[in-house]
Amino acid sequence: QVQVVESGGGVVQPGRSLRLSCAASGFTFSSYAMHWVRQAPGKGLKWVAVISYDGSDKYYADSVKGRFTISRDNSKNTLSLQMDSLRPEDTAVYYCARESEALQDWGQGTLVTVSS
Amino acid sequence: EIVMTQSPATLSVSPGERATLSCRAGQSVSSKLAWYQQKPGQAPRLLIYAASTRATAIPARFSGSGSGTEFTLTISSLQSEDFAVYYCQQYNNWPWTFGQGTKVEIK
Repeated sequence: QVQVVESGGGVVQPGRSLRLSCAASGFTFSSYAMHWVRQAPGKGLKWVAVISYDGSDKYYADSVKGRFTISRDNSKNTLSLQMDSLRPEDTAVYYCARESEALQDWGQGTLVTVSS
Repeated sequence: EIVMTQSPATLSVSPGERATLSCRAGQSVSSKLAWYQQKPGQAPRLLIYAASTRATAIPARFSGSGSGTEFTLTISSLQSEDFAVYYCQQYNNWPWTFGQGTKVEIK
């Protein structure tokens, strides 16, 4: 069955960096675009970034552009999100999701807390 | 970016009753509209894509309609497991955007 599992969350000080990972299984990872979506505590869903199936195209939300970098390793079925210059407003649960006519499959998320 | 507006913010419904949720897009998104269900402490789950197509294993009591800027999610007879928050999302334009959510609660 399709499975995506996020990891790498934690508590980090403002201005520091963190790298999230998403391990995929149960489908041909290299055939699908992958996304990151986040949800601040008690708030709604916010789309963060997408990477095409082969890594050639990437799009970002304005709020993270220039600070976050999405990447993938199709040989390892892994999606990553490098988050630099973190701000308190980046505090959220971060989900990775497989795109197949919208966001078909989601992980359980990993919590990132940006606080001094 | 396209603003997605959901109404109402909260919907109080008795089990067995019908629930109708609305989603309006700030500009046309064609039929590139999805609905998700999220329960507390869980990841969102895709219910509907392409405005009206049920995702795999989604019960027939969930239905979607609309195109352009006006969309509706209908739950024909609410079951206990349907009380949750529902989000619409457009995927016609970058950045993809979500509505703020409608909470369906027990009346």
